[in-house]
Amino acid sequence: ETGVTQTPRHLVMGMTNKKSLKCEQHLGHNAMYWYKQSAKKPLELMFVYNFKEQTENNSVPSRFSPECPNSSHLFLHLHTLQPEDSALYLCASSQNRGGSSGGGELFFGEGSRLTVL
Amino acid sequence: AQSVTQLDSHVSVSEGTPVLLRCNYSSSYSPSLFWYVQHPNKGLQLLLKYTSAATLVKGINGFEAEFKKSETSFHLTKPSAHMSDAAEYFCVVSPLVGYTGKLIFGQGTTLQVKP
Repeated sequence: ETGVTQTPRHLVMGMTNKKSLKCEQHLGHNAMYWYKQSAKKPLELMFVYNFKEQTENNSVPSRFSPECPNSSHLFLHLHTLQPEDSALYLCASSQNRGGSSGGGELFFGEGSRLTVL
Repeated sequence: AQSVTQLDSHVSVSEGTPVLLRCNYSSSYSPSLFWYVQHPNKGLQLLLKYTSAATLVKGINGFEAEFKKSETSFHLTKPSAHMSDAAEYFCVVSPLVGYTGKLIFGQGTTLQVKP
């Protein structure tokens, strides 16, 4: 079993649907992240949670709604999406030590491939 | 402010020949630097990282990278390419101080390995 598991791996939805992406990490980490990976563009950080608290919202539209019920689980709720939201959504986790002892690496899931029709 | 530039969007090598993927960075702090690899339909996997210790960093699968502060570079190399090395490679920078997971990713370099 991989350290970070994402479901579903593939999702096709219409613009009026509501769906959710799920991420679970089995590494005992204290931080979780959502990234968006679109073709020909660098990875875009969407949200960061440290100890279940959201510490970063990178100007993400409100049609994306994250939820972090505990340090091991992270959801991304989707509603009224646009075709340009089609992308690979990657979840990651890390053990952040903060302060001057940073440099922790991210552990990624395999991603959820989203297609919005 | 931090930034990272991968100088080649696509690199093609023959199997058994050396690999060089170039990365330049800009950072106001002493940075941490990473190389990640992404195989098709997979997530990103850490290849190696530099965090202010030895400037020559060895990673998995025979890859290594050298941190050169004077050149602000962190190029990734491998002496002999294997077919399984074909993938997308990302150079990543993060501030060492006050790290909160705000990694800056390069645009990526696609490595093609020809038989």
